[in-house]
Amino acid sequence: GIQVEQSPPDLILQEGANSTLRCNFSDSVNNLQWFHQNPWGQLINLFYIPSGTKQNGRLSATTVATERYSLLYISSSQTTDSGVYFCAVGLTGGFKTIFGAGTRLFVKA
Amino acid sequence: DTEVTQTPKHLVMGMTNKKSLKCEQHMGHRAMYWYKQKAKKPPELMFVYSYEKLSINESVPSRFSPECPNSSLLNLHLHALQPEDSALYLCASSGQGAYEQYFGPGTRLTVT
Repeated sequence: GIQVEQSPPDLILQEGANSTLRCNFSDSVNNLQWFHQNPWGQLINLFYIPSGTKQNGRLSATTVATERYSLLYISSSQTTDSGVYFCAVGLTGGFKTIFGAGTRLFVKA
Repeated sequence: DTEVTQTPKHLVMGMTNKKSLKCEQHMGHRAMYWYKQKAKKPPELMFVYSYEKLSINESVPSRFSPECPNSSLLNLHLHALQPEDSALYLCASSGQGAYEQYFGPGTRLTVT
């Protein structure tokens, strides 16, 4: 089956630093989402980005579907950015969704 | 409104109990999903309903029984669970022709 790999697995940043999270996938997908899971377990939608580039405030994302990867950029990180970032891909032709293992981010004040 | 609600927030049940988890959305979405998430792991897909019909069952044990009474409501009936079934159960929905999923806050289930 499709493999979804996220890197790095863990990341510690000083407040104000920038970071790039990566998601690689092993097969064609028809959709890709980035989520932030807060300490209470809520999955918050960041981007729905099967291809192209999007920006929302300090966050932006790029997906290059032909090369099977997506990047999430966090600029000027804040302590509230701490949590786990997941990418999730949807397989072509249906609803089946696979999550990557996540990147656990801790931003220090 | 991009809200998916789940009840209860927390549930503790014995291995002989029968309980149900409830999920509701009012976004007009036609697909609804159940996921299971163990601690420090990613969510794993369990079931998908599309237009109130079961579309995907990821070989989930029969002690988990999903039900979609209407397009806004999704239930997960639990019976004879095992302690290893303790997890965060997440519900999601997505719109017709689109796969962007919106998640509820989850139910934390503990099986004793």
